[in-house]
Amino acid sequence: EPEVTQTPSHQVTQMGQEVILRCVPISNHLYFYWYRQILGQKVEFLVSFYNNEISEKSEIFDDQFSVERPDGSNFTLKIRSTKLEDSAMYFCASRQGLSGELFFGEGSRLTVL
Amino acid sequence: SQQGEEDPQALSIQEGENATMNCSYKTSINNLQWYRQNSGRGLVHLILIRSNEREKHSGRLRVTLDTSKKSSSLLITASRAADTASYFCPGANNLFFGTGTRLTVIP
Repeated sequence: EPEVTQTPSHQVTQMGQEVILRCVPISNHLYFYWYRQILGQKVEFLVSFYNNEISEKSEIFDDQFSVERPDGSNFTLKIRSTKLEDSAMYFCASRQGLSGELFFGEGSRLTVL
Repeated sequence: SQQGEEDPQALSIQEGENATMNCSYKTSINNLQWYRQNSGRGLVHLILIRSNEREKHSGRLRVTLDTSKKSSSLLITASRAADTASYFCPGANNLFFGTGTRLTVIP
């Protein structure tokens, strides 16, 4: 069964460093998303991406965040200068159509020291 | 708020019992979806019910939808310890997740 894959599964970084989280969505999906889940809290929407541009973003997705689809398969989330409060699990998701089911990856755990 | 709201926040039952959780939403929908999250894992899609449907079954899952009340319910029958997880009905465009219902099934 096709799946969304995310790398790395866990990354530890120093405050102020740049981090890139990678996702490979399901190949025929057109809509891509990033979510964040701080430990013990809810899954928070960060950004949606369609047709090579951001279609919606939340207040959390400020200037330190960016997303890119550098080639036909990868979808990346960059955090420019990490803060302690960026420590969280980051989930990538994709879906074929706007009203279809979301397929989630297993997440990338980011720990900022 | 764009997110769905699940109720109750927590539910604890014995294995074999049925579990019912409810969802309310604010915006109009094409369909409503339910997801499950095991602790620390990615969310998994469980079932989708279209706006013109009132009830749908999938295995041990039964979902109802009342668009006039903007509400839905998820019933898990004959629960198992493996059903222990958090359950969500995302809101607008099925993108925004609330705090969910944390279900604990005691063996």
